[in-house]
Amino acid sequence: QVQLVESGGGVVQPGRSLRLSCAASGFTFSIFGMHWVRQAPGKGLEWVAVLWSDASKKYYGESVKGRFTISRDTSKNTLYLEMDSLRAEDTAVYYCARNGRDMVLDYWGQGTLVTVSS
Amino acid sequence: EIVLTQSPGTVSLSPGERATLSCRASQSVTSTYLAWYQQKRGQAPRLLVYGASSRATGTPDRFSGSGSGTEFTLTISRLEPEDFAVYYCQQYGSSLWTFGQGTKVEIK
Repeated sequence: QVQLVESGGGVVQPGRSLRLSCAASGFTFSIFGMHWVRQAPGKGLEWVAVLWSDASKKYYGESVKGRFTISRDTSKNTLYLEMDSLRAEDTAVYYCARNGRDMVLDYWGQGTLVTVSS
Repeated sequence: EIVLTQSPGTVSLSPGERATLSCRASQSVTSTYLAWYQQKRGQAPRLLVYGASSRATGTPDRFSGSGSGTEFTLTISRLEPEDFAVYYCQQYGSSLWTFGQGTKVEIK
């Protein structure tokens, strides 16, 4: 069965960096695009970034453009999100999700919490 | 960027009642790229409906999606106890994905 497991969250000071990982299993990772989506405490969902299956294209939400970088290691079936210049407003649970048919997010991980605080 | 506005923000209903959730887009959305998700407290979102009206695997048939252009609806015909949750619509267009702000369906 499809499994996505995020890790790497924690407490980080404003201005610092953090890297999240998402380990994928149960499907052929190399042929699917992958997303990061976040949810601030008590708030709704915010799309963060997507990476095409062949890593040829990546797109970002406006609030993270220029600060966050999405990447993947197909040999490890792992998706990454490198987050630089973190701000308090980046505090959220970060989910990875698979890009399915018709550009929907068909499988989601359980999320990892990132807290940006001094 | 297309903005999705969901209404109402919160709806209070009893089990067995019908729920009608609205999702309005700031510009026309290709129906193929309109989806609905359910999120229960403390859990990750789960895909319910894709292509505006197709139920995802495992979605009960009491859930139905409809609409086109800028107006979309998710209907739950008879609420079961497990349906009380937050529901989000989502669209894809121009290499960007956006979500509505969510509708909470709570027990009356």
